[in-house]
Parts: sequence; structure tokens; C-alpha cells
Amino acid sequence: AQKVTQAQTEISVVEKEDVTLDCVYETRDTTYYLFWYKQPPSGELVFLIRRNSFDEQNEISGRYSWNFQKSTSSFNFTITASQVVDSAVYFCALSFFRRDDKIIFGKGTRLHILP
Amino acid sequence: GAGVSQTPSNKVTEKGKYVELRCDPISGHTALYWYRQSLGQGPEFLIYFQGTGAADDSGLPNDRFFAVRPEGSVSTLKIQRTERGDSAVYLCASSLTALGSGSTEAFFGQGTRLTVV
Repeated sequence: AQKVTQAQTEISVVEKEDVTLDCVYETRDTTYYLFWYKQPPSGELVFLIRRNSFDEQNEISGRYSWNFQKSTSSFNFTITASQVVDSAVYFCALSFFRRDDKIIFGKGTRLHILP
Repeated sequence: GAGVSQTPSNKVTEKGKYVELRCDPISGHTALYWYRQSLGQGPEFLIYFQGTGAADDSGLPNDRFFAVRPEGSVSTLKIQRTERGDSAVYLCASSLTALGSGSTEAFFGQGTRLTVV
């Protein structure tokens, strides 16, 4: 089965706190890509990161960081020093090398950053 | 334009009517995707075009749904005999090449919110 699970439906934190959004995926493919997208209230899906299954290095981009662990099939996303503008729905997603060319999305985590 | 453009942004239609949703992809992008997002859910794949042809339409829920991309740029998603269950946000995305190459990402439009009453 090809599946992405985001167990956290909704999270609320106070501004400046750190928050981690969990993502667990299932696939039998050996080469695949993992994504995180942000969906603000405007509705547009904003690309945040793509990760190749062969690259398990963690990545940091400003206040955002991603932890990819193949051993646990997880691709977690951490926001450090959260800000109100980070409030959105975040989707983890999965696609496959030279196959299907579709993205499989999780159900998303709604993140509320409280001032 | 700079991004993926979808029109209309909102569409209310009566049950049984026919609707067309339009997507203008980023110029030069060969791949185009339609997704449907129901309330509280992640986007679900409907159809993928590479150029003018539908390379994968396995996500279309039934034969009331159809999409075209006659000149390899603009695409139209067509829904016949709409039902209340078709109410959702329909998202369009484009990418420079096929996603399976691993060298690009998909850019999404803001979606069309379809409400069938």
C-alpha cells in the first residue's frame, strides 16, 4: 500500500514555541520522494521541501527543519520559534520515481500559532 | 502569469447541471495535474496530463468527470450532471517535467471551490 499518515489532526502552540509535525509513510518502492506543502487560508498549496529516498540527511531552512528516517518511515517537520504567520494546514506527501507521477497526500495537520 | 491560475475561484451550481473548471498552468510546464480536496482531507489525485494527452486518469471518480488539454497548456475539467457529493475544492498543479523524474516539484493554483446545491 502507498499511504501517508499524519496522525496529528490539529495542533495549537503559543508563539515562539517549537512544534513538530509528524509524518509516517508506507511504500514498497525503493526510490521515492517525500514532500511537505503548506496550505494557508488562501488555499494555495505552497511547496516547502522535496526529499529523495536516498538522501537521509536532515535539512534546515531558516526556522524550518526536516528529519527523514527510513528506518521508521518517517519524515517529520519542525518549526522553531513559531510565528503567527506559520498558522496553516501542512501536508506531507509521497511520489514515486518514474511511476504514476501522482502525489499521495496525507490528511494534513492544522497548525494554530496563538499570539 | 507567474503562477498557476484557476478560474473561477468559486462556483455554485445546482444539482444536475454541467460545470467547467479552468486551469492555466505556468508557461512552459509540460505536466499538469488535477486534484480534488474535500473538507478536512488532503488533495486526492484525479488526472495527469503530459502535453496534450492524459497520461493517467485513474483518479477520476466516474464517467461524469472528464478533462481536456487540447493545446498542451490550458486545461478544463468538466463535470456533467453534478451531484452534491462533487462539492469540493478542485486544485490544479503544473510542473516543468514529469514528477517521476525527481528533478522538479509541482506548483499548485489556489483552487476552484465548487458547491453543488
